[in-house]
Amino acid sequence: SAVISQKPSRDICQRGTSLTIQCQVDSQVTMMFWYRQQPGQSLTLIATANQGSEATYESGFVIDKFPISRPNLTFSTLTVSNMSPEDSSIYLCSVEGQGGGQETQYFGPGTRLLVL
Amino acid sequence: AQSVAQPEDQVNVAEGNPLTVKCTYSVSGNPYLFWYVQYPNRGLQFLLKYITGDNLVKGSYGFEAEFNKSQTSFHLKKPSALVSDSALYFCAVRPRSGAGSYQLTFGKGTKLSVIP
Repeated sequence: SAVISQKPSRDICQRGTSLTIQCQVDSQVTMMFWYRQQPGQSLTLIATANQGSEATYESGFVIDKFPISRPNLTFSTLTVSNMSPEDSSIYLCSVEGQGGGQETQYFGPGTRLLVL
Repeated sequence: AQSVAQPEDQVNVAEGNPLTVKCTYSVSGNPYLFWYVQYPNRGLQFLLKYITGDNLVKGSYGFEAEFNKSQTSFHLKKPSALVSDSALYFCAVRPRSGAGSYQLTFGKGTKLSVIP
């Protein structure tokens, strides 16, 4: 499986500010995904990021709040804009497996965000 | 719409005893089925998956899961629990084809505590 890293691993931010989270993969992947895990909750898909096209957002998530970039096949960023305490969550990126294992998604270590 | 139910918020088991973490799903067709584990302050780690074939799937760390189509269940099992197995376990499903077939739907998670 691919090795996935995220930066920052955690952050504490003030309301009204924005934070950009980076996701780096050690191999080229077609599809990258961004998830949110609110405290004590399960994972919810925010959007799918494909290189060379705009991200596809799930119901309840909009580009103005969560802009995503996918400049190449190994990197993506998620920005959490105009943050409020309700945005306090773990944000995880994931990628599809390679070599015939595309049905499986592998996850990064997550970014723990606390908004005050 | 697809959904996953993990009926137990928490499962407690004594070290050395067998453990079961339950999962049932609702999705049209024959989905892909997954188990992930999340250790404290860590991202999600892939444990095992059901694609096709033998209903008993073996995965990492001695875990296995049994696919039961008639009961639409995919319970996670381990013959002998270790204290180090204490973590949060997520069941997930994904359609094999069609629109949104890339989308993983997660259960709400089950906290496993293995008591020494």
